[in-house]
Amino acid sequence: DADVTQTPRNRITKTGKRIMLECSQTKGHDRMYWYRQDPGLGLRLIYYSFDVKDINKGEISDGYSVSRQAQAKFSLSLESAIPNQTALYFCATSAGGQGRNGYTFGSGTRLTVV
Amino acid sequence: AQSVTQLGSHVSVSEGALVLLRCNYSSSVPPYLFWYVQYPNQGLQLLLKYTTGATLVKGINGFEAEFKKSETSFHLTKPSAHMSDAAEYFCAVSEGAGGTSYGKLTFGQGTILTVHP
Repeated sequence: DADVTQTPRNRITKTGKRIMLECSQTKGHDRMYWYRQDPGLGLRLIYYSFDVKDINKGEISDGYSVSRQAQAKFSLSLESAIPNQTALYFCATSAGGQGRNGYTFGSGTRLTVV
Repeated sequence: AQSVTQLGSHVSVSEGALVLLRCNYSSSVPPYLFWYVQYPNQGLQLLLKYTTGATLVKGINGFEAEFKKSETSFHLTKPSAHMSDAAEYFCAVSEGAGGTSYGKLTFGQGTILTVHP
């Protein structure tokens, strides 16, 4: 099994629908992140969580919400999906400390909003 | 706040040629620097990282990068490109303790590397 698992891998949804992307990890890391990737823009941070009781907005959190259900689970919700939320979404984890080890990434969820 | 700029969204080289992907960063405290690679339809994989110590770091698949503090750069190189190197490459920076972005990775825009036969 992968260290960081994202479900679903691909999803097509309609404008206005609520959708949840899920992430689970077996790394034992306390920190989890959600990024979105758009061509030419790299990866941009949506939300991050340094432990179960800690949730923080990233640079592009509008239109998104998250839930940290357990140390190993971090889900991202789009409350009312819109077409410009079409993107590739990545979950990542890291160990606590000074960030020197970088992140472990999931394989991504490709979301299309029509 | 930290930021990363990758010069060139697309780089094309011939097989066997030198690969040079450029990355410049800004950070208010000594940074940790990373290069990730993304192959088509896959997630991001760590190529190499600089935290402290030797400024020339070696990674997987023959890649290396040099941290130059005076130039705020962390360029990625490989002496001889292989067809399998075709991918998108991301430079990323994480601020250490004392930085406003402590423990968070900021990514560059990505550089797509194409390798011609």
